[in-house]
Amino acid sequence: NAGVMQNPRHLVRRRGQEARLRCSPMKGHSHVYWYRQLPEEGLKFMVYLQKENIIDESGMPKERFSAEFPKEGPSILRIQQVVRGDSAAYFCASSPTTETQYFGPGTRLLVL
Amino acid sequence: QKEVEQNSGPLSVPEGAIASLNCTYSDRGSQSFFWYRQYSGKSPELIMFIYSNGDKEDGRFTAQLNKASQYVSLLIRDSQPSDSATYLCAVKIDNAGNMLTFGGGTRLMVKP
Repeated sequence: NAGVMQNPRHLVRRRGQEARLRCSPMKGHSHVYWYRQLPEEGLKFMVYLQKENIIDESGMPKERFSAEFPKEGPSILRIQQVVRGDSAAYFCASSPTTETQYFGPGTRLLVL
Repeated sequence: QKEVEQNSGPLSVPEGAIASLNCTYSDRGSQSFFWYRQYSGKSPELIMFIYSNGDKEDGRFTAQLNKASQYVSLLIRDSQPSDSATYLCAVKIDNAGNMLTFGGGTRLMVKP
């Protein structure tokens, strides 16, 4: 049973470009969460989605960030016009119900 | 006051000893508690979860929960050098959605 998959594992962008991060949940999991880990800081919740629905986006920055989980395909976290402060590790987690969350390998975003 | 607090460490223990990691939380509505292990540059890996007061054992790991005192701990028996990692305490607060609130993590070093 494959775990949570994320790609790319590493992403380099220049300031002002767009970053697209993808997450495929574990088989049978319909709940997807995105977290961000800034350098030397803890994990912070960003957004919680189910298929075609954003359930909780209380942790998402108000501008430039968006997320979706379409009926078909992976969940996408999109960051427009990236700035250096967006450099971080972005982790996706999934769960079969509303309980235990399993994390993917993460995408390390570096903004030059 | 941070919602979930952990001593950042490093906590240094000799091989074979018991490592004791502690976590306190501020919200009495917290219902579910999780311990994750994170190796440097890697993603969080679920070790244990606990919902009820008392102890829960799984192999060399024991989670302890005391809701009255608002703390949760993780004991690692017969510590091995491979246990050296950062241990993250995470809490799910009732009526606050499904997001996990993480502590800053405790770095554990097990010396041979």
